[in-house]
Amino acid sequence: QVQLVESGGGLVKPGGSLRLSCAASGFTFSDYYMTWVRQAPGKGLEWLSYISTSGSTKYHADSVKGRFTVSRDNAKNSLYLHMNSLRVEDTALYYCVRDSGSYFLDYWGQGTLVTVSS
Amino acid sequence: DIQMTQSPSSVSASVGDRVTITCQASQDINNYLNWYQQKPGKAPKLLIYDASNLETGVPLRFSGSGSGTDFTFTISSLQPEDIATYYCQQYDPLSYMYTFGQGTKLEIK
Repeated sequence: QVQLVESGGGLVKPGGSLRLSCAASGFTFSDYYMTWVRQAPGKGLEWLSYISTSGSTKYHADSVKGRFTVSRDNAKNSLYLHMNSLRVEDTALYYCVRDSGSYFLDYWGQGTLVTVSS
Repeated sequence: DIQMTQSPSSVSASVGDRVTITCQASQDINNYLNWYQQKPGKAPKLLIYDASNLETGVPLRFSGSGSGTDFTFTISSLQPEDIATYYCQQYDPLSYMYTFGQGTKLEIK
C-alpha cells in the first residue's frame, strides 16, 4: 500500500534552516508528481510546492518562494523540502502529498511538525 | 491568482440530514475542483476529484457537482463518522498553483 512518511521536523529559531524528508513506498515513486502542503495550528491547508517526476520542474507558493526549495531523489524514493530563513509564521504541520497525475492529491503522509520560535 | 471562496465556514446538522457545502472560484477552473475530508488529528483524505468523481472506497452518500466557477459538495444523509472539516481545492494550469478553500467544519447537532 502507498505510504508516505515525513521526518525532519523540530524546533528551530527564527532565521534558521531545516530539511524535511519524505520516504515513499508502495508505488513507483519516479512516476508521480509530488507536493508539500502545510497546516498551521488550528488553520486551514496551504499548498507550498510541486515537483515533477524528474525533478526538473518545480513551483513554489509565493509565501515561501526564495526561502523553500523542493527536491527529490528517485533512486532513494525520497522527497525533500529545504527550508531557509524560517519565520515564526512557518510554524505548521508539513505534509508530503502525492499528486495523482491529474492535479488532485490522492495520498497524504501523517505530517511532521515544524516549530519556529526563539 | 485564482481565489476560492468556500461556505459556510461551519455547519451543524443532525444525523440523517442532507448537508451541502459550496465553493466558488474567482474565474473559470473547468472541473479542476477536488474535495477532501480531514478528521481531527488526521491527515486530509481525498473524497471527490474533478468536481464529481467519487474516489475509490468513499461512501456513496458523498457527491460533488458543478463546473466553471460554482461547485457543490453534498452529504446525502449525515452519519456520525462524517464529523470533520471539509476542504475544496483547485489547480490552476496557468500559474501551476494549487489553492485550498478556507474549510468547512461540520458538527453534529
